[in-house]
Amino acid sequence: GENVEQHPSTLSVQEGDSAVIKCTYSDSASNYFPWYKQELGKRPQLIIDIRSNVGEKKDQRIAVTLNKTAKHFSLHITETQPEDSAVYFCAASIGGGSNYKLTFGKGTLLTVNP
Amino acid sequence: NAGVMQNPRHLVRRRGQEARLRCSPVKGHSHVYWYRQLPEEGLKFMVYLQKENIIDESGMPKERFSAEFPKEGPSILRIQQVVRGDSAAYFCASSPIPSSSGNTIYFGEGSWLTVV
Repeated sequence: GENVEQHPSTLSVQEGDSAVIKCTYSDSASNYFPWYKQELGKRPQLIIDIRSNVGEKKDQRIAVTLNKTAKHFSLHITETQPEDSAVYFCAASIGGGSNYKLTFGKGTLLTVNP
Repeated sequence: NAGVMQNPRHLVRRRGQEARLRCSPVKGHSHVYWYRQLPEEGLKFMVYLQKENIIDESGMPKERFSAEFPKEGPSILRIQQVVRGDSAAYFCASSPIPSSSGNTIYFGEGSWLTVV
């Protein structure tokens, strides 16, 4: 089955700096890659997703890039703010009718220091 | 998705008791998915249900765990004879009929089970 590796496990940045989180996946059939943000004791919230027919997607301060050849995708957060502090999870699925079966990475604890 | 309602939000059970977790999908959604999150880990898929049908239970433990989504009422995840290793957050998500391009998964607020 699919295996998703996520790095780093913890990331500390200064407010205003950029943060980058990287994930690799094993199943070349995967074509849907969402990113979730989870605050302590809360549900994971979808922040951005990308499908395999797109190499990059941007939404304000958040961007995701996808390299299908290398089987890796990354989350980029620019101009970080303290409220960006949370655990971020990447995930992958083979998409289509099986989009529900997401395989998650172990998460990255992002701390933005004021 | 604020429309997915889960209860209870927090549940404490003694070893050997039963835990029942309920999930009411977004109105009009007929597909429900359960995920489990162990402490300091990512979510893991458990089961996918449509009304009165289990579509994919490949992530469900073979024993003690069961799920249903009746014609009327919420989906229920049942854990019998709970053990400490069942302590986790259980998240439910729902979607309308899946499209060919797939559905974005939005999770409910979760149910935190603690086994003492």
